[in-house]
Amino acid sequence: DAGVIQSPRHEVTEMGQEVTLRCKPISGHDYLFWYRQTMMRGLELLIYFNNNVPIDDSGMPEDRFSAKMPNASFSTLKIQPSEPRDSAVYFCASSSVPRTQYFGPGTRLLVL
Amino acid sequence: QKEVEQNSGPLSVPEGAIASLNCTYSDRGSQSFFWYRQYSGKSPELIMFIYSNGDKEDGRFTAQLNKASQYVSLLIRDSQPSDSATYLCAVNQRGSGGGADGLTFGKGTHLIIQP
Repeated sequence: DAGVIQSPRHEVTEMGQEVTLRCKPISGHDYLFWYRQTMMRGLELLIYFNNNVPIDDSGMPEDRFSAKMPNASFSTLKIQPSEPRDSAVYFCASSSVPRTQYFGPGTRLLVL
Repeated sequence: QKEVEQNSGPLSVPEGAIASLNCTYSDRGSQSFFWYRQYSGKSPELIMFIYSNGDKEDGRFTAQLNKASQYVSLLIRDSQPSDSATYLCAVNQRGSGGGADGLTFGKGTHLIIQP
């Protein structure tokens, strides 16, 4: 199994630009999670999906953030417009109940 | 607000000794508890989970849970330099199936095993 796949692995952009992060979960997993990790705040849950339906988006920081899961094998996290404080590592994780969450390699985002 | 607290460290332990990592949580409704290991620049990987009070052993690792004290710990026996990493404690409200709900993470303890 290829594991959770995220792209891009690194992203550098300028403030105000739109950023789209992508995730392909492990085949057969029906839960998908988006987390963000910073030194100050640690690892935080942003949103998660079950069977492509958003279940809890209470962690999404602002309306500038949006996430979609159009099918079982693909999800996007979009930031528009981006700000320097959005700089972080964004992780996607997937799971198949009742087993554990498997994390992808992450996307390192730097907003200048 | 759910909070998970960990000492950020660094915690320095000589090779071969026992490393003890601690975590407290604020939400008494928490049911599932997880320890993740994260190497620098890498993604978190699950080491152990525990749902019931007491100890759970897996190889060199032992997780301990005390729900009355809202306290979780991880012991690493015969510590190796390869154990040097950041250890993240995580909790959620599910009675089982940590994969079915978002996790609340502590900020992690940086562990250094000295050769």
